[in-house]
Amino acid sequence: GAVVSQHPSWVICKSGTSVKIECRSLDFQATTMFWYRQFPKQSLMLMATSNEGSKATYEQGVEKDKFLINHASLTLSTLTVTSAHPEDSSFYICSARAGGGAYNEQFFGPGTRLTVL
Amino acid sequence: AQSVSQHNHHVILSEAASLELGCNYSYGGTVNLFWYVQYPGQHLQLLLKYFSGDPLVKGIKGFEAEFIKSKFSFNLRKPSVQWSDTAEYFCAVNGQGGKLIFGQGTELSVKP
Repeated sequence: GAVVSQHPSWVICKSGTSVKIECRSLDFQATTMFWYRQFPKQSLMLMATSNEGSKATYEQGVEKDKFLINHASLTLSTLTVTSAHPEDSSFYICSARAGGGAYNEQFFGPGTRLTVL
Repeated sequence: AQSVSQHNHHVILSEAASLELGCNYSYGGTVNLFWYVQYPGQHLQLLLKYFSGDPLVKGIKGFEAEFIKSKFSFNLRKPSVQWSDTAEYFCAVNGQGGKLIFGQGTELSVKP
């Protein structure tokens, strides 16, 4: 089956620093990737939709200048949390959609645990 | 607004008990519905999905779900749970542009 990886799996950083999280589709090309945030014991909240070669589309309430998304190739999307603060601590999950159909299945990465001190 | 509601936050069952997890959605268009499972420490995996056709959908590991359009529901069922089914279960609907909208999740604990 389709595999999506994330790197790193966990990261601890100091307040004010920036952190980059990578999402890769290992055995398929993904024109669209999604970034989610999951708080403990809560659901996944979609943050943004990342399209290869174009600007990401952010959900309402998500600061685009704080959460920078780059989708430079068909297999890689990155999320950079800029000037991270403790309230940004969370579990960040990406998914990748195979093919061009809007309703094609999404495959999820294992997630990245971010802790901001 | 599109939304998904899961009725049960935490369900505790003994092995061999039957399972039914409720899921209701609110979406005006054509719906595609999903159930995902997240085992402890692992990533989300697709259990089953409904796009069209037979409203009773069978998935992996003995799970099934029934789409009832009149009730806006897509409940997940399993006749006999195992300890290995302990996990978090998420219902989701495919909304506008293919975005997935997730329910709050239901934590299932199965006692051996």
